[in-house]
Amino acid sequence: QQQVKQSPQSLIVQKGGISIINCAYENTAFDYFPWYQQFPGKGPALLIAIRPDVSEKKEGRFTISFNKSAKQFSLHIMDSQPGDSATYFCAASKPGNEKLTFGTGTRLTIIP
Amino acid sequence: DAGITQSPRYKITETGRQVTLMCHQTWSHSYMFWYRQDLGHGLRLIYYSAAADITDKGEVPDGYVVSRSKTENFPLTLESATRSQTSVYFCASSLAGVSVEQFFGPGTRLTVL
Repeated sequence: QQQVKQSPQSLIVQKGGISIINCAYENTAFDYFPWYQQFPGKGPALLIAIRPDVSEKKEGRFTISFNKSAKQFSLHIMDSQPGDSATYFCAASKPGNEKLTFGTGTRLTIIP
Repeated sequence: DAGITQSPRYKITETGRQVTLMCHQTWSHSYMFWYRQDLGHGLRLIYYSAAADITDKGEVPDGYVVSRSKTENFPLTLESATRSQTSVYFCASSLAGVSVEQFFGPGTRLTVL
C-alpha cells in the first residue's frame, strides 16, 4: 500500500523554468512533510520541509505548497538550473514517529 | 571525519550467500534506519532502531536481519541472498526529539548473481 503517491516519475524542464512535483497522501495522521534531494551516487539529503499549520514554505528558489483538505503537497523549483538535476523524494511522518514514508521519487532533468 | 559511513560501497555476491552491510555514524544519533532503493519503488524501510538493542521491522523486512549492540553501528545482514535483493541500500540516522531529519549515508550497491 503506497501511502504517499508522487508524480511525475520523471520531468524535463528548460533552464529558467518552473519545476513542479506533486505528492498526495492518504493518512490524515501525517504531520510532517519533507522533501529530499538525491544526486547520482549520493544519499538523499533534506531539502525543505513543512508542517500542516502553514500552507506554504519558501527557501530560496524552493517552495512547498500544502493543501490539507486535498491531502496534497507539492515542490516548486523556480528559475530551475542544471545543478537542480537530481531525484526528488517527498515523504511524510506521524507525530512522535521518527519513521518516514517516502514517495517513489521524481527524476528531474534541467536542460539548457 | 564525522558523519555516517557505509561499507562496502559495492558488493557482488551469489545467490544463497550471507552478506553483511555495515553502517557507522559518529553523531551519537539514537535512531538508525536501513532502506533499499529500487526504481519505481523509491525508498523502502527495511528495519530501524530507536537505540542500542532496540530494533523493529519496517515495510520490507523479509530476508534481512539487523543488530545494534552499539549506538554507532547498525549492520544489515542478508542471511541467504536472493536476486530480488539486488538493490542500492542506504543507512540513515536521526536525533530523536530534535527533528525528524534523517541523515543518509552514501549507499551500498549490492548485486546478487
